[in-house]
Amino acid sequence: DTEVTQTPKHLVMGMTNKKSLKCEQHMGHRAMYWYKQKAKKPPELMFVYSYEKLSINESVPSRFSPECPNSSLLNLHLHALQPEDSALYLCASSQPGGPKNIQYFGAGTRLSVL
Amino acid sequence: KNEVEQSPQNLTAQEGEFITINCSYSVGISALHWLQQHPGGGIVSLFMLSSGKKKHGRLIATINIQEKHSSLHITASHPRDSAVYICAVRGGGGADGLTFGKGTHLIIQP
Repeated sequence: DTEVTQTPKHLVMGMTNKKSLKCEQHMGHRAMYWYKQKAKKPPELMFVYSYEKLSINESVPSRFSPECPNSSLLNLHLHALQPEDSALYLCASSQPGGPKNIQYFGAGTRLSVL
Repeated sequence: KNEVEQSPQNLTAQEGEFITINCSYSVGISALHWLQQHPGGGIVSLFMLSSGKKKHGRLIATINIQEKHSSLHITASHPRDSAVYICAVRGGGGADGLTFGKGTHLIIQP
């Protein structure tokens, strides 16, 4: 099983809402990633969790709050977002340090902020 | 920060043609990835390279570490190969995020 599952696939939210994106993998990977992709642009790294600890935060605004409750699950909590935060949010996982440190991507959550 | 440049940005070709997409980067890396993204978003990892050449079906990827350059080739191209192909690099060997090129939008016409 090389699947990274993201839910929901689509999300529409208002600027005052609180919502969460979920990412799950059962490949035993100990690194998980959040990327943001605007239309017609390449993905940009947001956060990296390594062994359930936040290791990289690419200066992401605090209205995005990541959480890694266990080695299989990664959440992204959203609060007070702006319309410019509308994008495709991609999750990925990998096994850090190994010879096959390939990142496997989920299908993404397409977020629209109204 | 690594600068990743891809060329061409857009490529339209006829079915059966040999396709080459190029990628160059500015700083030494631990690995380079070639990824495929279809409309709708999902990204599939095609290759991960740290040296030499890899082949999978009709796809071939090469990397020249000294020249900081990689190429992705598609032989006997088919309309189902139409997608965005993205080059991405990783600096360290651990849990480092990827730095992406802007992608090459490939259309194969029947």
